[in-house]
Amino acid sequence: SAVISQKPSRDICQRGTSLTIQCQVDSQVTMMFWYRQQPGQSLTLIATANQGSEATYESGFVIDKFPISRPNLTFSTLTVSNMSPEDSSIYLCSVEPWDREYGYTFGSGTRLTVV
Amino acid sequence: GEDVEQSLFLSVREGDSSVINCTYTDSSSTYLYWYKQEPGAGLQLLTYIFSNMDMKQDQRLTVLLNKKDKHLSLRIADTQTGDSAIYFCAVGLLSGSARQLTFGSGTQLTVLP
Repeated sequence: SAVISQKPSRDICQRGTSLTIQCQVDSQVTMMFWYRQQPGQSLTLIATANQGSEATYESGFVIDKFPISRPNLTFSTLTVSNMSPEDSSIYLCSVEPWDREYGYTFGSGTRLTVV
Repeated sequence: GEDVEQSLFLSVREGDSSVINCTYTDSSSTYLYWYKQEPGAGLQLLTYIFSNMDMKQDQRLTVLLNKKDKHLSLRIADTQTGDSAIYFCAVGLLSGSARQLTFGSGTQLTVLP
């Protein structure tokens, strides 16, 4: 299965600033996904990122707040813009496997605290 | 859309078996996964089961699927302190992408010495 490197692993940011999270995969993948895990909660899909096209956002998430780049088949970034304390969460990237019996692989996550 | 439910907490004694339960609503769900999340870490895939299977065993892990009741369980035999973590079930559709991969709320497993 794919190996995902996600960084930063954690950050403490000031309200009103932006943070860009990077996700690097060791193999080419068609679809990459970004999730948010709020404290004590389950995972919520933010958006799906395909190379060469705009990301598809889920209900409740907008591009202005969470712009995503997908410049090639092994890399993606998620930016959390104009942050507020409510954005404090773990953000995870994930990739779809070639064979779904291997499950969706996740990065180790970025723990974001907004103060 | 799909709704996936799990109980929030489970405590067991070291050496006992743990059973974590999950229910889902969409009978079209085809791929059912169990993930483990340790403190401060991402999600680790533990095992999976397809909807055409009733049971899958993998070392200490046994997954049971009752399609009629839309009920999935994960049994961990001889539970160890290292098994303490949050366990998520996730269900997905064959024709979909991660748009249709829905996670449960997670079950916090605590293993007592």
